[in-house]
Amino acid sequence: DTAVSQTPKYLVTQMGNDKSIKCEQNLGHDTMYWYKQDSKKFLKIMFSYNNKELIINETVPNRFSPKSPDKAHLNLHINSLELGDSAVYFCASSQNSGDTQYFGPGTRLTVL
Amino acid sequence: DAKTTQPPSMDCAEGRAANLPCNHSTISGNEYVYWYRQIHSQGPQYIIHGLKNNETNEMASLIITEDRKSSTLILPHATLRDTAVYYCIVRVRDDKIIFGKGTRLHILP
Repeated sequence: DTAVSQTPKYLVTQMGNDKSIKCEQNLGHDTMYWYKQDSKKFLKIMFSYNNKELIINETVPNRFSPKSPDKAHLNLHINSLELGDSAVYFCASSQNSGDTQYFGPGTRLTVL
Repeated sequence: DAKTTQPPSMDCAEGRAANLPCNHSTISGNEYVYWYRQIHSQGPQYIIHGLKNNETNEMASLIITEDRKSSTLILPHATLRDTAVYYCIVRVRDDKIIFGKGTRLHILP
């Protein structure tokens, strides 16, 4: 029944590793997003996809690569993880880009 | 940068109305006022939005001043579960959401 789900909920890994976070929405929405919330609790948008096409790409290192296999899924792959990547990552979706966004529960990433 | 100014924190007694202010003096004519909240360790949750008129839904009321330079989110009967960070956001409908620091609302038993 969960509208926007993310896996895993927690991810602990070593510096230099490559990891992926998955997001799925069952709301039939066309637009999906990735946000990062750092230790100071600032929540910032990273990417937005509409119908599997990238429409927002904020200033994010190219180690971060979103992939949308279909419009219900938006995964985030991170290469060569760094300490500064430690944060909570939230996925969200909306019917269209201007509509209300529904957020997932978040994935807490800890890089050691 | 966020285009809004909110007090960093507020307290409200359980059962009373919580009135959360937001200043957005540079708002332009096509920008909406949105409110989201984030309960500890959860994803942000949409509350309400409006353009000019006051709005009400099952969660809250939004009062926007006539000049649109400020607004107030009203939770009519606050409960402990309303303890959260409340974000006031100004945006054009198709634009990205920029979250500020928000107001940390403490509901006191």
